[in-house]
Amino acid sequence: DIQMTQSPSTLSASVGDRVTITCRASQSISTWLAWYQQKPGQAPKLLIYATSSLDRGVPSRFSGSGSGTEFTLTISSLQPDDFASYYCQHYGDYSTWTFGQGTKVEVK
Amino acid sequence: EVQLVESGGGLVQPGGSLRLSCAASGFTFSNYWMTWVRQAPGKGLEWVANINQRTSGSEKYYVASVKGRFTISRDNAKNTLSLEMNSLRDEDTAVYFCARWPGWPSACDVWGQGTVVTVSS
Repeated sequence: DIQMTQSPSTLSASVGDRVTITCRASQSISTWLAWYQQKPGQAPKLLIYATSSLDRGVPSRFSGSGSGTEFTLTISSLQPDDFASYYCQHYGDYSTWTFGQGTKVEVK
Repeated sequence: EVQLVESGGGLVQPGGSLRLSCAASGFTFSNYWMTWVRQAPGKGLEWVANINQRTSGSEKYYVASVKGRFTISRDNAKNTLSLEMNSLRDEDTAVYFCARWPGWPSACDVWGQGTVVTVSS
């Protein structure tokens, strides 16, 4: 099975910072890589699908890129509402999906 | 309004059973694959099961840890997704979310608020 490893596990940042989260696959995968944001006590929210496509209503400060085994989520200028946990997901095979272990973005 | 609402969670003893439901509204339920994802306390997201669009749910897939114990099903006439959970273990304790999947290229774009399952004696 493909494993997805996110780094860092925790990231301390300030409002206005540029933030990058990495998701590495244990083997080369397709472009079916998604990113979700989750706040405490809430359901995950889709941010990006197909590596780099922004879901409807998601602010343009969020972007995704990557290929092969390495993918990134970038927040160009961190806003107060962005302090949350972020998860990558590989969904290239409908018979098995895999999430990364998550990255918590906290206040520095 | 597009909405998914889970129900059926609760406290159950190890070895027991529970049936979760997910009521869909505001969209054509039969057009979407559906999925269950869980989150143990303080942990990350874990995919549990997928089911295709058909009323019969002819395609069903599970994470290895629940195969043979959990059964995903759907009733397109009632716009309802279900997860039958048997032989429950302590490690099944989690918040269970249902979500819809439009198919590639999109990912899971609508999620329910989750229902809590606690397995404990």
